[in-house]
Amino acid sequence: GAVVSQHPSRVICKSGTSVKIECRSLDFQATTMFWYRQFPKQSLMLMATSNEGSKATYEQGVEKDKFLINHASLTLSTLTVTSAHPEDSSFYICSARSPSTPYEQYFGPGTRLTVT
Amino acid sequence: GENVEQHPSTLSVQEGDSAVIKCTYSDSASNYFPWYKQELGKRPQLIIDIRSNVGEKKDQRIAVTLNKTAKHFSLHITETQPEDSAVYFCAASMGGNMLTFGGGTRLMVKP
Repeated sequence: GAVVSQHPSRVICKSGTSVKIECRSLDFQATTMFWYRQFPKQSLMLMATSNEGSKATYEQGVEKDKFLINHASLTLSTLTVTSAHPEDSSFYICSARSPSTPYEQYFGPGTRLTVT
Repeated sequence: GENVEQHPSTLSVQEGDSAVIKCTYSDSASNYFPWYKQELGKRPQLIIDIRSNVGEKKDQRIAVTLNKTAKHFSLHITETQPEDSAVYFCAASMGGNMLTFGGGTRLMVKP
């Protein structure tokens, strides 16, 4: 149980375009989802916390107008990178928390974004 | 906010030896400390976790110890195998809220 999927797994886009990444909890309802970014050979850095039906909470230094997060249902959160630039190229990973195991976070497989 | 420091950043051991990775945290309110193994291009995989009401937890070759007073916790891997080679991250959170990750340790197990 507790499976989280992400789509797409890889995406290449041109500078200035927008990209949407989906994160789904497949077998549980996730009231809270988290979005992380991981640059090569670095740690995971939290970008934002997403609660179903409310606005996301962004970490300091993360532009909320650039990284749009929507958590419209208990099984789906989306991250849209708007006006992408090469410096946005990174590994984006979501995680979800199940009410039945409130401490543990279940990670998606990640999305490799390359902006050319 | 919480700050988690992890040492060493790289660790090379001979197969069969033990490996120890240490982390310190700053927020005394943190009460959940998971450890993740991440292979290149993959998601972090939870290998063991501990809550603040426990001082030690063991699962086969893997153990975690927690010292709340000193605010540090450690991962111990015994009888290391080549397949243990990966990047390991410690993390801390309060009550299942946001995770703050350490900087990671690249473990290399030489056959």
